[in-house]
Amino acid sequence: SQTIHQWPATLVQPVGSPLSLECTVEGTSNPNLYWYRQAAGRGLQLLFYSVGIGQISSEVPQNLSASRPQDRQFILSSKKLLLSDSGFYLCAWSGQGTDTQYFGPGTRLTVL
Amino acid sequence: GQQVMQIPQYQHVQEGEDFTTYCNSSTTLSNIQWYKQRPGGHPVFLIQLVKSGEVKKQKRLTFQFGEAKKNSSLHITATQTTDVGTYFCMNSGTYKYIFGTGTRLKVLA
Repeated sequence: SQTIHQWPATLVQPVGSPLSLECTVEGTSNPNLYWYRQAAGRGLQLLFYSVGIGQISSEVPQNLSASRPQDRQFILSSKKLLLSDSGFYLCAWSGQGTDTQYFGPGTRLTVL
Repeated sequence: GQQVMQIPQYQHVQEGEDFTTYCNSSTTLSNIQWYKQRPGGHPVFLIQLVKSGEVKKQKRLTFQFGEAKKNSSLHITATQTTDVGTYFCMNSGTYKYIFGTGTRLKVLA
């Protein structure tokens, strides 16, 4: 069966520090991968999606970037965090040709 | 751009009462999916609706897709404490997934 992992589970970072969040998927090949952000008590905002290695589409311009160095690995990065980057970051995958999103456990990021 | 609003934003019900959340889009939806997010957890897929006017049931949950494919609803009959969480609709059919604003349900025992 397929599983999706995210780490770390929680993270507290100072303003201006770099960020790297990792997501890996097991049990499936060539998944579509997604990064979402959820502000406290709010809905989900799609940040990036990828349909293949090295293919990244950005939905929202910001100081974040994403990379997909391997088929089942998706990384969210920032060179300098802002206070507004605080939130719950969720990675998700879907099968090729399908829309159903399977979410990872998420990373709670607090920028101080 | 497309907006997907849900009402109500919050709903407190007594256990055993019914609950309905409505999802309204500013544009026609290709398909619609519903997700449930337990407090502190991640969203979990519930169902997808594709056809205009479609109705699907999962035990006490009934999902409807509007005739014009611009709205949808989720109805829970006789709520239980396990129904607590936030319910989101999401347009699907393209890669530009837009989640609704969500309805947070609290069930009082």
